[in-house]
Amino acid sequence: EAQVTQNPRYLITVTGKKLTVTCSQNMNHEYMSWYRQDPGLGLRQIYYSMNVEVTDKGDVPEGYKVSRKEKRNFPLILESPSPNQTSLYFCASSSTTLREGSNQPQHFGDGTRLSIL
Amino acid sequence: SQQGEEDPQALSIQEGENATMNCSYKTSINNLQWYRQNSGRGLVHLILIRSNEREKHSGRLRVTLDTSKKSSSLLITASRAADTASYFCATDDRTNFGNEKLTFGTGTRLTIIP
Repeated sequence: EAQVTQNPRYLITVTGKKLTVTCSQNMNHEYMSWYRQDPGLGLRQIYYSMNVEVTDKGDVPEGYKVSRKEKRNFPLILESPSPNQTSLYFCASSSTTLREGSNQPQHFGDGTRLSIL
Repeated sequence: SQQGEEDPQALSIQEGENATMNCSYKTSINNLQWYRQNSGRGLVHLILIRSNEREKHSGRLRVTLDTSKKSSSLLITASRAADTASYFCATDDRTNFGNEKLTFGTGTRLTIIP
């Protein structure tokens, strides 16, 4: 089954304790991205990657890191989490980049709810 | 305001009625997409309309795009209880070469009353 898998689905942790949210897709997609969703603000893009070893900042990259060492995986790293990073996070992927006029939709994971105390 | 803003923020209608949601954006785009999100779940792609298209249909969905007004509308006909969800538009930005960001609006919360 084609899917984007995020782990963990839920996490409660404390300020300053490094954490990683994993994202894996089994569709051989080139484009992957991370979003956070907050009430009243919609989805905001954190980072995106157009291919292996190619990443770029979205609208709200501060406090986050990403890596794309393999095509299928795109982990989101919070080196020193803070309470303002409490949010619902989504990973998404698509087969081609937006500029290529892709007909393919963004496939989303089911989300990771992070609470930073 | 953000690239991609939906209007209204919330909409409640009776089952069987039509629901219309609007999206406005700021920059020139290559395409505009609509997504649905059921409570607590990931977004699901509904339809994509390119900048050179004016209208597109998919089942009970009808999307229009007016690039001169930088706006789009999503019409759901003959609504069903299962259509209860939040709906988001998403746009790219063709004015910023090399920018591959996808920007989502804040969404319209649609409630279908049985």
